[in-house]
Amino acid sequence: DTEVTQTPKHLVMGMTNKKSLKCEQHMGHRAMYWYKQKAKKPPELMFVYSYEKLSINESVPSRFSPECPNSSLLNLHLHALQPEDSALYLCASSQEGRGLGEQFFGPGTRLTVL
Amino acid sequence: KQEVTQIPAALSVPEGENLVLNCSFTDSAIYNLQWFRQDPGKGLTSLLLIQSSQREQTSGRLNASLDKSSGRSTLYIAASQPGDSATYLCAVHSGGGADGLTFGKGTHLIIQP
Repeated sequence: DTEVTQTPKHLVMGMTNKKSLKCEQHMGHRAMYWYKQKAKKPPELMFVYSYEKLSINESVPSRFSPECPNSSLLNLHLHALQPEDSALYLCASSQEGRGLGEQFFGPGTRLTVL
Repeated sequence: KQEVTQIPAALSVPEGENLVLNCSFTDSAIYNLQWFRQDPGKGLTSLLLIQSSQREQTSGRLNASLDKSSGRSTLYIAASQPGDSATYLCAVHSGGGADGLTFGKGTHLIIQP
């Protein structure tokens, strides 16, 4: 099974809302990632968890808060977002960090901030 | 900072043609390079992974090569089909503590029936 699942598929939220994006993989991977992709742009790395510890935070605003409850789950908590945060949020996983494994991506959550 | 460039930005060819997509990167200190396809509004599908010690990888009608010293990779698609229409993204996994992928802007490919 090489599947990464993400929920919800679509999310519309106001600037004062609090919401969470969820990502799950059952491939036994120990590294998980959040990427943000704006329309007609390539994905950009936001966060990396390796062995359930945050190893990379690419200077993402604090209104985005990642959480890795266990090695199979990754959440992205959203609070007080701005309209410019509207994008496709992609989750990925790999066997381990440090570039040794193929990254597998989920289908993404399409986020619209009103 | 690693930069990845893909040429051409867009390509439209008749069905059945063989084609080559190009990717270049500025820092040759990479762990691996990965090619993806992305259909409109969808996630990324991994096509091929080439480790830094490898020269090429093949999967079906796809062949990817890597010349790490010159910072280049090519994706060769044989006997193209309309179902190959998608955006193809090249991404490199660099060292220096950067665990994520750095992507090129992609090649938007259209295969005409």
